Amino acid sequence: QVQLRESGPGLVKPSETLSLTCTVSGVSITTDLYYWGWIRQPPGKGLEWVGSITFSGKTFYNPSLKSRVTISADTSKNQFSLNLTSVTAADTSLFFCARHSRLTGTALDNWGQGTLVTVSS
Amino acid sequence: EIVLTQSPGTLSLSPGERASLSCRASQSVTTHVAWYQQRPGQAPRLLIYGASNRATGIPDRFRGSGSGTDFTLTISRLESEDFAMYYCQQFGTSPWTFGRGTKVEIK
Repeated sequence: QVQLRESGPGLVKPSETLSLTCTVSGVSITTDLYYWGWIRQPPGKGLEWVGSITFSGKTFYNPSLKSRVTISADTSKNQFSLNLTSVTAADTSLFFCARHSRLTGTALDNWGQGTLVTVSS
Repeated sequence: EIVLTQSPGTLSLSPGERASLSCRASQSVTTHVAWYQQRPGQAPRLLIYGASNRATGIPDRFRGSGSGTDFTLTISRLESEDFAMYYCQQFGTSPWTFGRGTKVEIK
């Protein structure tokens, strides 16, 4: 059974870098059927796609965040990570990692439970 | 970027009734649309992909339709667990955007 689990600090100071890791079990992140993505949801609001990484390591980002976002993968640990620099209170969100599947037209068919990151001094 | 407009914002219905949720794209996304359900405190769950294909394990009371710019999610007979938020997402053009959601609440 595929499982995704986010981990990282729940509190980040303004202007610092938010770093999260998604640990994937049950499938290799190098399987060419899947991409791996990050989605965020500010408290009480809707969903925003942050960016994704393919099985070969190609990345693509939401232009609204592109200058601040980096997504990378550690295939030896079957993990992928998100770095978001220069954070402000507006970045306070529930962050989800999720799997895109080429079998579902790139839709997100498996999600982690989410981790809340608060930006505050 | 492609803007997805979901309507209505809130749908108040009773169990057993039929729900019809709309998602309109600012430009054509052919059939590259997915629908997700999100219950309070939970991650979103994929319901429909490719505009009309049910994801694994999704009951057949959920039906997706549409193409181009107009899409609909229909829940034929609402059950108690269906009262939740619903989001559409397009994969036609990056950035892959979501609609703002429709809340289906108990009347």
